[in-house]
Amino acid sequence: EAQVTQNPRYLITVTGKKLTVTCSQNMNHEYMSWYRQDPGLGLRQIYYSMNVEVTDKGDVPEGYKVSRKEKRNFPLILESPSPNQTSLYFCASSSQGGLEAFFGQGTRLTVV
Amino acid sequence: GESVGLHLPTLSVQEGDNSIINCAYSNSASDYFIWYKQESGKGPQFIIDIRSNMDKRQGQRVTVLLNKTVKHLSLQIAATQPGDSAVYFCAERWGNQFYFGTGTSLTVIP
Repeated sequence: EAQVTQNPRYLITVTGKKLTVTCSQNMNHEYMSWYRQDPGLGLRQIYYSMNVEVTDKGDVPEGYKVSRKEKRNFPLILESPSPNQTSLYFCASSSQGGLEAFFGQGTRLTVV
Repeated sequence: GESVGLHLPTLSVQEGDNSIINCAYSNSASDYFIWYKQESGKGPQFIIDIRSNMDKRQGQRVTVLLNKTVKHLSLQIAATQPGDSAVYFCAERWGNQFYFGTGTSLTVIP
């Protein structure tokens, strides 16, 4: 089954404690992306990757890092989480430059 | 219709009626426009997209209309069903980046 898998689904952490949210896709897609979803603001793109070892900033990259060492994986790293990073995060992948994207189930992150 | 930064608009329709969801986009240089559906507790799901050089595209029970003159996009759902109840987002692609609207919540009344 074609899917994008994020882990964990729920995470509560404390300010400043580094964390990684993993994302994996099984469709051999070149394009992968991270979004955060906040009430009233829709989805905002954090980072995206056109292919292995190619990553670029999206609209709201501050406080986040990503890596793309393998085609299937695109982890999101928060080196020093802060409460304003409390949000619902989605990973997505696509074979067409981001079009017709498949989204993961989401990771709800709370930073206290 | 939806736009960046506003409260989530809502739309209620009777089962079997047609639904029209509107979206105002911001960048005239965007080359693709996309509609996604998001059900409660799930990630967005692709519905249909349209290239900027087109003004209409039809899918299964859905039609997207693009009016570049006024930067307006709409999604029409024919014979709306209870399973269509969800939040609908428009998105635009500019370069390799995507910009989403705030969404419209569609409720189908049985």
